Amino acid sequence: AQSVTQPDIHITVSEGASLELRCNYSYGATPYLFWYVQSPGQGLQLLLKYFSGDTLVQGIKGFEAEFKRSQSSFNLRKPSVHWSDAAEYFCAVGARYGQNFVFGPGTRLSVLP
Amino acid sequence: DVKVTQSSRYLVKRTGEKVFLECVQDMDHENMFWYRQDPGLGLRLIYFSYDVKMKEKGDIPEGYSVSREKKERFSLILESASTNQTSMYLCASSFGGLRQVPNYGYTFGSGTRLTVV
Repeated sequence: AQSVTQPDIHITVSEGASLELRCNYSYGATPYLFWYVQSPGQGLQLLLKYFSGDTLVQGIKGFEAEFKRSQSSFNLRKPSVHWSDAAEYFCAVGARYGQNFVFGPGTRLSVLP
Repeated sequence: DVKVTQSSRYLVKRTGEKVFLECVQDMDHENMFWYRQDPGLGLRLIYFSYDVKMKEKGDIPEGYSVSREKKERFSLILESASTNQTSMYLCASSFGGLRQVPNYGYTFGSGTRLTVV
């Protein structure tokens, strides 16, 4: 069965510091991988996605993620965090075809001034 | 700007009431989804639909039903609301239906925070 884990429930970083959010997945076929962000009281917004090819993908708002097949990971990174990045971040995995995802439990990011 | 619109941001209902949550998308998407989001549990799929008048149960369909009479609208129905249905409800849509099209991800609405008292 497919599953997604995000080991960190809550992370706090200082503004300007670098960020890495972890995501591990279990999936029987080639996965399609996604990161979403949810600002307080809002729906989810797609940050980036990985389908195939270059394992380092760039997204919106200065985020990037790296797919590592050997580690079944798809970690999200940002070199310098801004206060507006405070939000909850969800990793998700889906099939190449077929429209259902499995979402991770989310990681809440707090940013200190 | 394409969007998924959920009719209410906040709702307060009484136990036993029949509750309708409405979702409309303007992207001509075939697929529509209803999730509930609870702290510590993440997003859990309630129901989804691949086409008009089609519906499929997700992981937690008990106590809910859905209706999709038009392609752009997907309604979630709580037949008799209970306090354990207090939650954030998120609607989403995507391309594809039952066709073999690549999975490009969802577009989400802003959510409806439902409180059942």
